[in-house]
Amino acid sequence: KAGVTQTPRYLIKTRGQQVTLSCSPISGHRSVSWYQQTPGQGLQFLFEYFSETQRNKGNFPGRFSGRQFSNSRSEMNVSTLELGDSALYLCASSLVASSYNEQFFGPGTRLTVL
Amino acid sequence: GIQVEQSPPDLILQEGANSTLRCNFSDSVNNLQWFHQNPWGQLINLFYIPSGTKQNGRLSATTVATERYSLLYISSSQTTDSGVYFCAVSVDNQGGKLIFGQGTELSVKP
Repeated sequence: KAGVTQTPRYLIKTRGQQVTLSCSPISGHRSVSWYQQTPGQGLQFLFEYFSETQRNKGNFPGRFSGRQFSNSRSEMNVSTLELGDSALYLCASSLVASSYNEQFFGPGTRLTVL
Repeated sequence: GIQVEQSPPDLILQEGANSTLRCNFSDSVNNLQWFHQNPWGQLINLFYIPSGTKQNGRLSATTVATERYSLLYISSSQTTDSGVYFCAVSVDNQGGKLIFGQGTELSVKP
């Protein structure tokens, strides 16, 4: 069974631009969550999607948004990029949006904002 | 909200040594997972262990939910065990959201 895939793996953008990251969950998994990892803040939850609906949201500004498609694939978008948005963005998938389910992570997208 | 604390923050071992990593959490949890972050950044699942004890090769984990801690044991460490180990928990009414500890950075020297 294929794991979680994320594209692109690396991305370089300049301040003020916007970026879209993609995540495909494990086949049969319907929940996708996004996390941001930075050296200063560690791993922080961005949002969770299940059945094309955002079920949970972390404490991030409105520049961070996401969506989920009917095939469970998810995208996240960051608009008006800031230097502080440079981070590793990780996507996780699970069967459903439940606190009892095991989460599986993709390889991440490393975003650099210049 | 729930606090997750890992100790020690850093650990240096000689190859072949054993180690114990600890994760304390401040409230009851529905899920606890241990991950190893590889040099390329991917989080590799080690254990899903909200309670009890599990073993997988040289690694084992124990979670004592009533006392709010979990331990990850690494025996006969190898250089490939180097990296950062994270513990993460999820709680009621927050869906699948994982709350991560700050990690333990392990370095195994040959």
